[in-house]
This record gives sequence, C-alpha cells and structure tokens, in this order.
Amino acid sequence: QVQLQESGPGLVKPSETLSLTCTVSGVSISSYYWSWIRQPAGKGLEWIGRIYTSGNTNYNPSLKSRVTMSVNTSKNQFSLKLSSVTAADTAVYFCASSTAWGVAIHWGQGTLVTVSS
Amino acid sequence: QSALTQPPSASGSPGQSVTISCTGTSSDVGGYNYVSWYQQHPGKAPKLIIFDVTKRPSGVPDRFSGSKSGNTASLTVSGLQAEDEADYYCSSYAGSNNFVFGTGTKVTVL
Repeated sequence: QVQLQESGPGLVKPSETLSLTCTVSGVSISSYYWSWIRQPAGKGLEWIGRIYTSGNTNYNPSLKSRVTMSVNTSKNQFSLKLSSVTAADTAVYFCASSTAWGVAIHWGQGTLVTVSS
Repeated sequence: QSALTQPPSASGSPGQSVTISCTGTSSDVGGYNYVSWYQQHPGKAPKLIIFDVTKRPSGVPDRFSGSKSGNTASLTVSGLQAEDEADYYCSSYAGSNNFVFGTGTKVTVL
C-alpha cells in the first residue's frame, strides 16, 4: 500500500523559504515521478512541479523562479523549497506520485502552510 | 498557463446523472489525450477517478465515465449517490512538461 506523508513547518515568515518533505512508503521512489500540488483555502488545485529519481525537474512556469525540488532515494523522500514566500503562498500542500503524463495516483493527506509574520 | 474552465457547481437528484465540463485550449485538453479527473471530499486529499480521458483506476465505480470533444473534456456521474457529493477537478497535460488543473466543480446531490 503506497503512502505519502508531508512534513515541515506549518508557519513561515514572509520573504523566507518554505521547506517541505514528503516521505514515501510502500513503493520504491524509483517507480514514479513525484509531484507537489497546492490548494489555497476554498480555492482550486495548482500544480507546482515534479521531480524524477534521476533528479530531472519540471516546474510550473509561474513559480519556476522560486521553486527547487530534490529527491533523496536512500530515504525514499523528496522535497520542495519555495523561496521569497508571501501570503499568497498560504495553502495546503500535497505531495503525490504521478505518471509521465501527469496522472497523480497516490496523494499525501496534505499539510497546511501559513505565511505570516 | 491558465486554469482549465469548469462550471462552479452542478447538481442532481439521487439516481440521476450529472455531467461536468472542462474547457481548455488546443495546447492542453485539445492537444493531448491526457485528461484526468479527481474527486475531493471536504478536508481530504483528491482521489483519482479518471485518467487518459476515459480510463478508470481499479476500484472506481463504472458510474464514473470520461470523454473528450475538441478542447472540452467531460466527466459524467451516473446513478448519483449521496457519497458523490464532492468537488471535482480536471487536469491536463499542457505540453513542455507542464500540467494544469481545472477551476473545480462542486457537485451537490439534492
């Protein structure tokens, strides 16, 4: 059974960097692409980007200048860093396994990150 | 890239059918057969219910079906049940290793 669990600070100050980690269990991290998706309260889903175990990344063009993703195969984890955050980055952040064509198959439960001083 | 356009809401009585549209452009929905649909109950993570326009993952009831015509994809839920009340999101490959979600539709079972 594939499980994903997001972890990281729930509160980040404006202009600082948001850092989240997703721990994967039940499947090798080599099996899928690994994506980050976010959802502001009461709003829709936004694709942030994805990483493959090779380290290849693809980012949403609107966030590309602020996003960095990495993968740690030995720990079956992948991570998201979003720099220079503002209140607009306040959202529930989900990690997900995905296919080459972007099908998000397994999802974490999501973690709320609030940007506030 | 702009979000795909979905109606904000849709509704139907138990047993009826409801169809949700997802309109994009020839650069996303119309250009690829890589449209997915997700169901999201309040406070929960989305769940994949349709992928590659028409395919259902194992365990998803055949009451859920997908289709596409031109730049518009559609999700039909037949035989509505109370547990189908949720938010539904479409998603499409948008070229150049980019992906885009729809604006979301709240389905109410009357």
